[in-house]
Amino acid sequence: KQEVTQIPAALSVPEGENLVLNCSFTDSAIYNLQWFRQDPGKGLTSLLLIQSSQREQTSGRLNASLDKSSGRSTLYIAASQPGDSATYLCAVKNAGGTSYGKLTFGQGTILTVHP
Amino acid sequence: NAGVTQTPKFRVLKTGQSMTLLCAQDMNHEYMYWYRQDPGMGLRLIHYSVGEGTTAKGEVPDGYNVSRLKKQNFLLGLESAAPSQTSVYFCASSSLRTGGFDEQYFGPGTRLTVT
Repeated sequence: KQEVTQIPAALSVPEGENLVLNCSFTDSAIYNLQWFRQDPGKGLTSLLLIQSSQREQTSGRLNASLDKSSGRSTLYIAASQPGDSATYLCAVKNAGGTSYGKLTFGQGTILTVHP
Repeated sequence: NAGVTQTPKFRVLKTGQSMTLLCAQDMNHEYMYWYRQDPGMGLRLIHYSVGEGTTAKGEVPDGYNVSRLKKQNFLLGLESAAPSQTSVYFCASSSLRTGGFDEQYFGPGTRLTVT
């Protein structure tokens, strides 16, 4: 069964810092990995999707990498801002096993960027 | 575009009552999903649909039923609500793109409390 783990569970940084959020998964048979942002009391906003054959994706100050063979992904946020404060979730779309075709989510990293 | 919308945003039910949650998407997506999000459990898939008139069970389907009579709508029903169904419910949709390029888009959520 696929398991997705996100480390750290919570992170607090001063404004302007570059930071890295980590996501690991146990089964490398995936179609893609998606990073989401969730603001308190809100839905999920898709940030980046990395297809299984890709190594990284970039959008503005965000860069996500994927190492499928080792079961790891990182989300790099450059020059963090207070508006980046939110919970960041990663999810993998499974390509095998009983969860074929489904998303498995991590528990999320709660990011706080203070001025 | 409105994207994915959910109705209602909030609801309080008494044990044993029934209700239907409505999800609508205007992106002409083939796939639609219902998730629940609980503290410490992350997001879990309840039911999903790969097209109009078809539905399938996800990870936690017990106590829920779904219908997809129109491509743009996906309904989640609780026939006899239980306190264990207190949760935040999210609907999502994605297109029929192969190769792992099917990004999921989420609605704003419905907060349900069962007393």
